Amino acid sequence: DIQMTQSPSSLSASVGDRVTITCRASQNIRSYLSWYHQKPGKAPNLLIYAASSLQSGVPSRFSGSGSGTDFTLTISSLQREDLGTYYCQQRYISPITFGQGTRLEIK
Amino acid sequence: QVQLVQSGAEVKKPGASVKVSCKASGYTFTNYGISWVRQAPGQGLEWMGWISSYNANTNYAQKFQGRVTMTTDTSTNTSYMELRSLRSDDTAVYYCARDHVGSQLHDEGIEYWGQGTLVTVSS
Repeated sequence: DIQMTQSPSSLSASVGDRVTITCRASQNIRSYLSWYHQKPGKAPNLLIYAASSLQSGVPSRFSGSGSGTDFTLTISSLQREDLGTYYCQQRYISPITFGQGTRLEIK
Repeated sequence: QVQLVQSGAEVKKPGASVKVSCKASGYTFTNYGISWVRQAPGQGLEWMGWISSYNANTNYAQKFQGRVTMTTDTSTNTSYMELRSLRSDDTAVYYCARDHVGSQLHDEGIEYWGQGTLVTVSS
């Protein structure tokens, strides 16, 4: 199985900060990577697909980059509603696998 | 609007089976597939498998092979996930999600999710 490793596992940032989360795949997954945001008790919400394409309706402060094995999710100016857990997901080789998650807290 | 409505919470004993339903509306059911993803309490997301709503082709994660069966009923636009021989570590919220019709391998994400079904396995 392809291992997806996110870093950091948790972080705390202030409103207005620029936040970066990284995701590394154990093998080449081209651009078959998505990012999700999940709040407690809710289903995940799709933010980015194909590594860098912004899902319709998602605020433009979210952006994604990378290909191959190294990927980044960036929040350009953190808002309070961005708290929660972020997951990366690869869909290049079965089984589909997720990163372990990055918990984001607001200072 | 697209909706996926799942069946209610279940409590099962170890060794039993559970069958979770996922009723779709707001789109042409046979033009898409359904993936199932679970999340143990306080843990991350785990993909279990995928079924095509068009031809009922399936692809299961190796971890669940032999214990899971995914089916689809096009007359009611409903997908089902049955998990057998339940263990305590199967306690989780189970989500269905709308996926591609031909394969679970593609560069798009999952936009539509069910509300989740909590399955508790306890003696």
